[in-house]
Parts: sequence; C-alpha cells; structure tokens
Amino acid sequence: DIVMTQTPLSLSVTPGQPASISCKSSQSLLQSDGKTYLLWFLQRPGQSPQLLMFESSKRFSGVPDRFSGSGSGTDFTLTISQVATEDFGTYFCMQTRELPPTFGQGTKLEVK
Amino acid sequence: QVQLQESGPGLVRPSETLSLTCTVSGGSFSNWIHYWNWIRQLPGKGLEWIGHVDYRGGTSYNPSLRSRVSLSLDTAQNQFFLNLMSVTAADTAVYYCARNESGTYDFWGQGTLVTVSS
Repeated sequence: DIVMTQTPLSLSVTPGQPASISCKSSQSLLQSDGKTYLLWFLQRPGQSPQLLMFESSKRFSGVPDRFSGSGSGTDFTLTISQVATEDFGTYFCMQTRELPPTFGQGTKLEVK
Repeated sequence: QVQLQESGPGLVRPSETLSLTCTVSGGSFSNWIHYWNWIRQLPGKGLEWIGHVDYRGGTSYNPSLRSRVSLSLDTAQNQFFLNLMSVTAADTAVYYCARNESGTYDFWGQGTLVTVSS
C-alpha cells in the first residue's frame, strides 16, 4: 500500500494568517495518463470529509480561492492564504493512484 | 446535486454481520465512470477504504478486509450495500459511503456510527 504522511499533525493559526500542510507519499502519485492522483479534504467536527482539491492543484467546485494545492511526484502542499473561521477542522490528503486508496493521518487546524 | 445517505443498525453483536445501505439521489447511478465506495473512520485511527462496486456489480476490496467483506448494488433502487462478516470491537467506526468519479471522491454521505458490542 502507498503510505501517506502528513505534517504537522496539529497547527494553531490566528484567523487571517496563512497556513500550510505537507503530505508525502511513499510512491509517486503520477499516473501514466499524466494526472497526479492526490486529493485534499476538510473534515469539520461531526461532519463527513468534504473535497477541496483534486489532481493535487485543482479546486473542487465551490471551494474558495484562498485554498491552493501544489506539488508533484511524492511531495504535496495545501496552502490557505488567509485562514477563515470556517476553515478550522481536520485536513486529510488521500491518494487514488492505485488500490487500495490510502489517507494521511490528518492535520488538525485549530484557532490560536 | 448528488446526495448519498447511509442507513442500517447502529449496534451489531460480535461475530455477526454488519449490513449497511447507501441510497444515492440527484444523479445517474448507472454511469460507467462512477465507482461507489465504502470508507470507515476508526476511532482515533483515521480513514480506511473498504472497497468499491461499479455499475455492473464489479468489486474491489481492501486486502485487509477482503476475506470478510462483500459489496453489491441495486441499480433500480439507486442503492449499494456493505456486508462485513464476523465483526469484532475493532470494527466499531463511522461508516461512510462515497462516490468516486475518475479518481475524485467528490460526494460523501453524512456517515453512520456502528458500534460492535454485546
């Protein structure tokens, strides 16, 4: 299985400040079709994960442009340019390059 | 807007079978580009993919659960199903159903907590 490692596991940020989360995969997530199969999700307490980014850097429908994703191969980053109050929760990366899909451990973004 | 909704018992006895249903609304269920997934969130242990079923009933399972899991679907009812056999306390989790379109898990159900206990 591809192992996904997120850092940090927790992050305290003042609203309005930027935040950045790293995700590393044990194998390249670049597929032969030229796409990189890396997703980012936000899970608020008591809710299901909601998709933020797909193919590493593409924002899902309705996701604010303060969210951006970057990276290729095995190293990826999710950046929030200015954290809003609704952004607090747990962030997960997920690889869908090969079966079984696997997830990072999660990064909890908290109010500082 | 596609919506998914899990349903099933919240309490299952050890050694019995956990059975859940996911009902899909608001979108085409019989599209070859979609895979219908079950994912669980174990307490304090993150997310685990259980398996998926396609519109023809083809399945793939996580090797860690393959010996105990069975997925199926009913296209007429826009539903797909999870059966997990011989459960133990380690199977206590929130179970989610989700749609995969071209590698993107774009829509999820709200999740249902299943507790394994006597």
